[in-house]
Amino acid sequence: AQTVTQSQPEMSVQEAETVTLSCTYDTSESDYYLFWYKQPPSRQMILVIRQEAYKQQNATENRFSVNFQKAAKSFSLKISDSQLGDAAMYFCAYGYNDMRFGAGTRLTVKP
Amino acid sequence: GAVVSQHPSWVICKSGTSVKIECRSLDFQATTMFWYRQFPKQSLMLMATSNEGSKATYEQGVEKDKFLINHASLTLSTLTVTSAHPEDSSFYICSAREGTGRDTEAFFGQGTRLTVV
Repeated sequence: AQTVTQSQPEMSVQEAETVTLSCTYDTSESDYYLFWYKQPPSRQMILVIRQEAYKQQNATENRFSVNFQKAAKSFSLKISDSQLGDAAMYFCAYGYNDMRFGAGTRLTVKP
Repeated sequence: GAVVSQHPSWVICKSGTSVKIECRSLDFQATTMFWYRQFPKQSLMLMATSNEGSKATYEQGVEKDKFLINHASLTLSTLTVTSAHPEDSSFYICSAREGTGRDTEAFFGQGTRLTVV
C-alpha cells in the first residue's frame, strides 16, 4: 500500500522568506503522480503543483517548486517569497487514480 | 480549472436519520469520483471510488451499508450516510476526474460539514 509521510506538523516562515515543506512516500510502482495541495481555512482543496514520476525535471509553478528525488522517494515543496496568503494547511499526495494524502503541514506566515 | 460543486455545504441531522450529499461536476463529465472524509485537524482519508454506472469501490474499514454511494450519471455522484450517529460527524469532500487518462487532474468540491446531534 502506498503511504505518504509529512514529518512537519507545523512550519513558520517570515514574509518574503523561503520555506521548504518535506514529504516522503512509499510505493512499489514506477509510474505515478505526486501533488501538493493547499487547504486554506475555507477547506477548499487547491492544487499547488504536481509532478509526474517519469519526469526527472522538477516541477515549478511561479513561487512554488519541488525537489523530487525518486530514488529516495522524497518530494519537498519550496515556497519562495512567502506571502501572507500562503498561510494554510499543505498536503502532500500520491496518486494515479485515487489519491493518498499525508497528514499535512500547517504553514504560518509572519508579517 | 473545472468546477466541482458539493451540496449542501453544511448539514445538521438527528441521530438515526439519513442524509444525502451531492457532488456535481459543473463543466465536465466525470468518469470517476472520489469521496473523502476529513476529521478536524487531520488529513483526508479516501472512503470510496465511484465510477459512473458501476458499483463503488470502498476502502478497507468503510462500511458499505452505512455510506451508500451512487454515481448515476457522468456529472453526479451522491453519498448517503444512513442511520447517522454522532461519530459520523465529519467533513466530507468529493473530487472528480474528467477522464481516466494518466494526465487528467482531479478537482475537489468545497466539502460538506455534517453534524449529527
